[in-house]
Amino acid sequence: NAGVTQTPKFRILKIGQSMTLQCAQDMNHNYMYWYRQDPGMGLKLIYYSVGAGITDKGEVPNGYNVSRSTTEDFPLRLELAAPSQTSVYFCASSYSMGDPRAQYFGPGTRLTVT
Amino acid sequence: DAKTTQPPSMDCAEGRAANLPCNHSTISGNEYVYWYRQIHSQGPQYIIHGLKNNETNEMASLIITEDRKSSTLILPHATLRDTAVYYCIVTGGYQKVTFGTGTKLQVIP
Repeated sequence: NAGVTQTPKFRILKIGQSMTLQCAQDMNHNYMYWYRQDPGMGLKLIYYSVGAGITDKGEVPNGYNVSRSTTEDFPLRLELAAPSQTSVYFCASSYSMGDPRAQYFGPGTRLTVT
Repeated sequence: DAKTTQPPSMDCAEGRAANLPCNHSTISGNEYVYWYRQIHSQGPQYIIHGLKNNETNEMASLIITEDRKSSTLILPHATLRDTAVYYCIVTGGYQKVTFGTGTKLQVIP
C-alpha cells in the first residue's frame, strides 16, 4: 500500500492565483481530512469528509473548497490565493466512525503565496 | 473535543526513558487519548492510544490515571531519532481531532 499520497510537494503561487492540492489514499478509508500547519503551530482542520459525496467544514475553511467524488481522492482547492494561506498542508485518512484507530497522514504540501 | 495541556518542551538523555505528560481534565467517558509525533517537516505519525487501561506497543507505553484526567507517554529508551514534537489528543467517535502545539522533545547525546 502507498498509504496517503499528496501532490505537489512544493508550490509557489502568486496572489490571486488558484490551484488544487491532490490527495489520494489506497486503504479504503471512509474518512479523509485536510489540515494546515503554520510555522511553530499545531495542525488546524480545514475540511473533512465522511465518505464519497459528503464533506463538512473544519476550524478554518475560509478560502478553500473540497470535493469527494470517490473514496480514494479528496482534492483541496484554493481559489484566490492570499499570503495568509502560506502554510504546509497535510491530508489524512482514517477508518469509519466509531473505530478508535488513528489517522494516517500524507507527507505534506509546502505552499508559499507571494 | 476535550482540551489537553502539555509542557512546551522537554529534554531527555539518549538511552534514558522519556516521560511526556498530558493533562486532559475535561475528558468525557467515551473519549480516547491518542498520542502522535511529528518529526521535522513530516506528517504526524500515530504512536499509541488508550481509553482507560495502560497500553504498550513496540514504540511506547501509555499510562492513564485512574480518574482519566491525565496520561503519560513513555519512550523507554530514547534515541536521537525520537527528537520530535509529541501531540496528546483526546477525541471521541466523530473523529475530528484538535492538535495543540504539543511538547517538543529534544533527545541529547
